[in-house]
Amino acid sequence: AQSVAQPEDQVNVAEGNPLTVKCTYSVSGNPYLFWYVQYPNRGLQFLLKYITGDNLVKGSYGFEAEFNKSQTSFHLKKPSALVSDSALYFCAVRGGGFKTIFGAGTRLFVKA
Amino acid sequence: DGGITQSPKYLFRKEGQNVTLSCEQNLNHDAMYWYRQDPGQGLRLIYYSQIVNDFQKGDIAEGYSVSREKKESFPLTVTSAQKNPTAFYLCASKGDRGHQPQHFGDGTRLSIL
Repeated sequence: AQSVAQPEDQVNVAEGNPLTVKCTYSVSGNPYLFWYVQYPNRGLQFLLKYITGDNLVKGSYGFEAEFNKSQTSFHLKKPSALVSDSALYFCAVRGGGFKTIFGAGTRLFVKA
Repeated sequence: DGGITQSPKYLFRKEGQNVTLSCEQNLNHDAMYWYRQDPGQGLRLIYYSQIVNDFQKGDIAEGYSVSREKKESFPLTVTSAQKNPTAFYLCASKGDRGHQPQHFGDGTRLSIL
């Protein structure tokens, strides 16, 4: 069965420093992987996805993610964090049929 | 602009009352979903629908019901059988290709009076 894990409940980073939010996955077959962001009292917003091809995927707001098949990871990265990046981040993988399996979420705090 | 509209933004339920949360989309998506999100937690799937007049239970369907009479609409009813309904409810839709992401509404926050 497909699953996704986000090992960190919270990530703290100073503004201007690089950030990484970790995600590992377990799938049968080729993975379709996604990152979403959620701001307070809002729905999830799509950031980026990996289907196939380049292992480095670029997305919205300067975010990128690195797909690593051998480590079954899909970590979210940004070279220089902004205070406005503070939010809840979800990794997700396509599940069976039309379902999407979401991780538990990682809260990112960017300190000025 | 295309998107998903959830209403109301805030909803209060009395003891023994059923309440219905609205979800409308104009993205022409076949698939629609309802999730429940508890404070500081991830998303749990309540119900989903892949096509009009068809829907399936998710992981936590007990105490909830849905209908899918129109492609654009997927209302969720929280029944009195749901003993702990206080949560943030999110509706989403998705196109028919596996690699397409889900699009989310801005949620309804349900509380008990």
